[in-house]
Amino acid sequence: DQQVKQNSPSLSVQEGRISILNCDYTNSMFDYFLWYKKYPAEGPTFLISISSIKDKNEDGRFTVFLNKSAKHLSLHIVPSQPGDSAVYFCAASAGPSDMRFGAGTRLTVKP
Amino acid sequence: DVKVTQSSRYLVKRTGEKVFLECVQDMDHENMFWYRQDPGLGLRLIYFSYDVKMKEKGDIPEGYSVSREKKERFSLILESASTNQTSMYLCASIHRSRSGNTIYFGEGSWLTVV
Repeated sequence: DQQVKQNSPSLSVQEGRISILNCDYTNSMFDYFLWYKKYPAEGPTFLISISSIKDKNEDGRFTVFLNKSAKHLSLHIVPSQPGDSAVYFCAASAGPSDMRFGAGTRLTVKP
Repeated sequence: DVKVTQSSRYLVKRTGEKVFLECVQDMDHENMFWYRQDPGLGLRLIYFSYDVKMKEKGDIPEGYSVSREKKERFSLILESASTNQTSMYLCASIHRSRSGNTIYFGEGSWLTVV
């Protein structure tokens, strides 16, 4: 049973436009959410996070939005750049030893 | 900078072989994890450890075991490798802070079982 779901396996956007990656979760005990970015043949790297006490966190071109009532979070990348092309994983945590990941969304940013 | 190092990047093993995947972190983290990544399935948790000699099963522990004899080192063991264990294996450790936990990954180990 996947507790964290990324329903779009892939997304393609034009350079300079907004990329929106979505993530849904089922476990209401999750209180911390993260996004990771992964290039081929490399381990995932941390991108941005948000605690359940917030509904928005911004870091440069990256913004994460959390809708607790809908159990939904999204990552916005504005403006998108070709170097952003990667697989993005959503993750959720309910405690120090618990981290669950979605299946990932492959983002392609076209020049 | 946190560093999580996986000793082997690419391995090819035969069915039935015993396989060791080693992972070392240099930040004194208590919690360490082993995941495998497969297309369309994302990252699935195999085992985790929250202290030396302590281990807990994740979502897919069958066919695997782990060892944590020292805080900095967490090993994944495939007792008898099978072709369905061909995958990318990722080791990770967690940095805990007041605001939340951040997980740091190694570079990954690509295992092919033939």
